[in-house]
Amino acid sequence: AQKITQTQPGMFVQEKEAVTLDCTYDTSDQSYGLFWYKQPSSGEMIFLIYQGSYDEQNATEGRYSLNFQKARKSANLVISASQLGDSAMYFCAMREGPKGSNYKLTFGKGTLLTVNP
Amino acid sequence: GAVVSQHPSRVICKSGTSVKIECRSLDFQATTMFWYRQFPKQSLMLMATSNEGSKATYEQGVEKDKFLINHASLTLSTLTVTSAHPEDSSFYICSAVRWGELFFGEGSRLTVL
Repeated sequence: AQKITQTQPGMFVQEKEAVTLDCTYDTSDQSYGLFWYKQPSSGEMIFLIYQGSYDEQNATEGRYSLNFQKARKSANLVISASQLGDSAMYFCAMREGPKGSNYKLTFGKGTLLTVNP
Repeated sequence: GAVVSQHPSRVICKSGTSVKIECRSLDFQATTMFWYRQFPKQSLMLMATSNEGSKATYEQGVEKDKFLINHASLTLSTLTVTSAHPEDSSFYICSAVRWGELFFGEGSRLTVL
């Protein structure tokens, strides 16, 4: 079974609108972390947001928020007020085990977001 | 600025030759670095964990004789693709941990003709 599932190969959003990118995960660990990265065409991996499995509040970073539903094992990324520069590939990733014990990440297949003017 | 740097960013080589890619931690010591591989329009797959002063730990299915990893200093890990073939063409990206946070390099795009 895939550990990280991103079911949307591509998404389109109008500039200034909000968009949700889906991510579900599978792990038997109680302690884990979930990440979202942005990868523009240049290839670099840009860290966006992190959610720990024991964090009670949904993580937010500027225009990015993570809709964490632990029982459903989902960690959707919400981008508010989309900008043209948000057009990129977005990856959801998971670290299994407590923070600091393991830095290996398992990535989903990604979602290509296109922001239309 | 960049925390982890890779070199070269792009490399083209002939089939059968070996190619070395460097991953450097800038202004910090990284005892552990990670090497990922990404085929076009696909996900990142962890290849190996590079450990300073000891042998790398390879993920299942990764040929250790094909992808040689050397972590000779606390700021440098190298990935050598030996006897490269067209199917080795890929985007290789490394990461390192600084103060409990993971940082990625800019990636290296390898094209084998």
